[in-house]
Amino acid sequence: EVQLVESGGGLVQPGGSLRLSCAASGFTFSNYWMNWVRQAPGKGLEWVANIKQDGGEKYYMDSAKGRFIISRDNSKNSLYLQLNSLRLEDTAVYYCARPLSPTGATGAYTWGQGTLVTVSS
Amino acid sequence: DIQMTQSPSTLSASVGDRVTITCRASQSVNIWLAWYQQKPGKAPKLLIYKASSLESGVPSRFSGSGSGTEFTLTISSLQPDDFATYYCQQYSSYCSFGQGTKLEIK
Repeated sequence: EVQLVESGGGLVQPGGSLRLSCAASGFTFSNYWMNWVRQAPGKGLEWVANIKQDGGEKYYMDSAKGRFIISRDNSKNSLYLQLNSLRLEDTAVYYCARPLSPTGATGAYTWGQGTLVTVSS
Repeated sequence: DIQMTQSPSTLSASVGDRVTITCRASQSVNIWLAWYQQKPGKAPKLLIYKASSLESGVPSRFSGSGSGTEFTLTISSLQPDDFATYYCQQYSSYCSFGQGTKLEIK
């Protein structure tokens, strides 16, 4: 069974940083692109970033460019998202998501349970 | 960027009803369209992928159709567990989601 377990969320002041982690199990992690998707309180879903199987390609939504860094460690079956220069509008539940197909960069996702990031002074 | 628009935003229905939710794309996404169900405080759950393929374990009362720019999710006979928010997602050109449709009990 595919399992994705996020951690690392919390309360942070504007301008601060956090590192989110996602521990994957139940599938061959190194075969899949991996994604982060977020959801602000009471709002819809928003794709944040993704990373290729070998970490050689990374893509970000516009507001994340220059502030967020996605990375992975295939030896630890883990995905990360470094959040820097956080803004109030980054407050959201952040989900780790795996596409259904190993050939897809994005796609029909299996999701973790999410981790809440709250940016507030 | 491809914009996804769902309608209606809110839908009131009763147990046993047949309901349809529509998702329109601002440009063709071929069949690269997924549907999710989300309940409060929970992660989204994949229902349909490639516009009409039912994810394993999802009840057969859920079905999807469409291609190009117009898609529908149909629930043939609403069950109490189906009251939730539904999202469509295109994954033809990167990834974008509809704004959601909240399915409420009438």
